This record gives sequence, C-alpha cells and structure tokens, in this order.
Amino acid sequence: KAGVTQTPRYLIKTRGQQVTLSCSPISGHRSVSWYQQTPGQGLQFLFEYFSETQRNKGNFPGRFSGRQFSNSRSEMNVSTLELGDSALYLCASSLVGVYAKDNEQFFGPGTRLTVL
Amino acid sequence: QKEVEQNSGPLSVPEGAIASLNCTYSDRVSQSFFWYRQYSGKSPELIMSIYSNGDKEDGRFTAQLNKASQYVSLLIRDSQPSDSATYLCAVNALRAGSYQLTFGKGTKLSVIP
Repeated sequence: KAGVTQTPRYLIKTRGQQVTLSCSPISGHRSVSWYQQTPGQGLQFLFEYFSETQRNKGNFPGRFSGRQFSNSRSEMNVSTLELGDSALYLCASSLVGVYAKDNEQFFGPGTRLTVL
Repeated sequence: QKEVEQNSGPLSVPEGAIASLNCTYSDRVSQSFFWYRQYSGKSPELIMSIYSNGDKEDGRFTAQLNKASQYVSLLIRDSQPSDSATYLCAVNALRAGSYQLTFGKGTKLSVIP
C-alpha cells in the first residue's frame, strides 16, 4: 500500500506571497492532520480534517487554512507569508475507527517551505 | 497547556548498549502513546505504540507506560549506529470528538561505533 504523499517537496517563496500544499493520505485513511516543524518549536499541530470537515485546530493565525476533498486528499494554504513561516510542513493520515490502533498517524515526507 | 516533555539530549551510547529514552506528559486524559523516529532531513516514522500500562516489546524496542506517573519510556537494546536519530514521544487524547496528537520536542540519540 502506498504511503502518504505530499507535493511539492520543496518551495521557495517571498514574503507576502501565498502558498498551497497538497497531501494524499494512505488509501482508505479518512483523517488528515497537518503539522509545522521548526527547530525551535518542534512539531506543532495545525489542524485535522475528517470527512471534509475541520475537527480540530491548533493555535495558529487565520493565515493558515486548509480543506479536505471527498477523496480524503487535503490541501493547506498559507497566505501573506512571513519569514517565520519557513518550516517543514508535514501531513499525517489515520484510518479512524473504534480501535486505538485505527488512530495511529503516519506521516508523509513533508514540504520544506523557505520564505525569503 | 497540554505538554509532553523529553530530554533534548544528545544522548550518546556505545554500540551494543541499551539506550533509554524518557517522556512525561501532563494531560491525564491521554489515551494512546507513541514513539516516532526521525532521521535528519526526513519525516517522523512510527516505531512503537502503547495503549495500556506495562511493557510492549517489538524486536529490539520496548515501550513502557505508567499512567499513574504519566510516564512513557522507550528502550532500545543492542543499539546500532543506524539507530542514531531524534526520537519523538507523542501522546493522543480525545478532544472535541477527535484525537489530537501532541509531540515532545524529541531526544537526539547518537550511537557511537
């Protein structure tokens, strides 16, 4: 079974621009979560989508948004980019079910965003 | 603030030794506990999950959970240079109808040949 895929793998943008990142979950997985990873803050939760609905949101400004499509693929958007948005953006998918193991999260390779 | 704490390291162990990684968490409603391994420049890889008190063994890895002490650990036996990576402890809790994973900042492990 193919793993989580993310595109693009690398992005370079300038301040003020916007960016859209894409994530395709493992086949059959219905939940997609997004994380930002920086050396100083570690892995921080952005938001989680299930059945095209945002179920949870982390403590990030409204410039960070996302959506999920009917095939469970997800996108996240960052508008008005700031230098501090430079980070590795990771998505993770999970099956979602009644068993604890169904909620294990598996990560994609990430998108490395550099804001100049 | 729900927190997961780990020693940042680096933790250096000689090849063949046991590496012991520790993690504490603050949210008592936490239900599932995970260890991820992250090589430099790569994404986190799930290596162990544990859901109930006690030990869980998988090959050279043993995860230990003590909910009363809010403590999770990972033991790596017969450490190999290929185990050199950052190990992330993660805790899952049910919030607003869905599970939210909170990560520690990771412990960097270096296995010396």
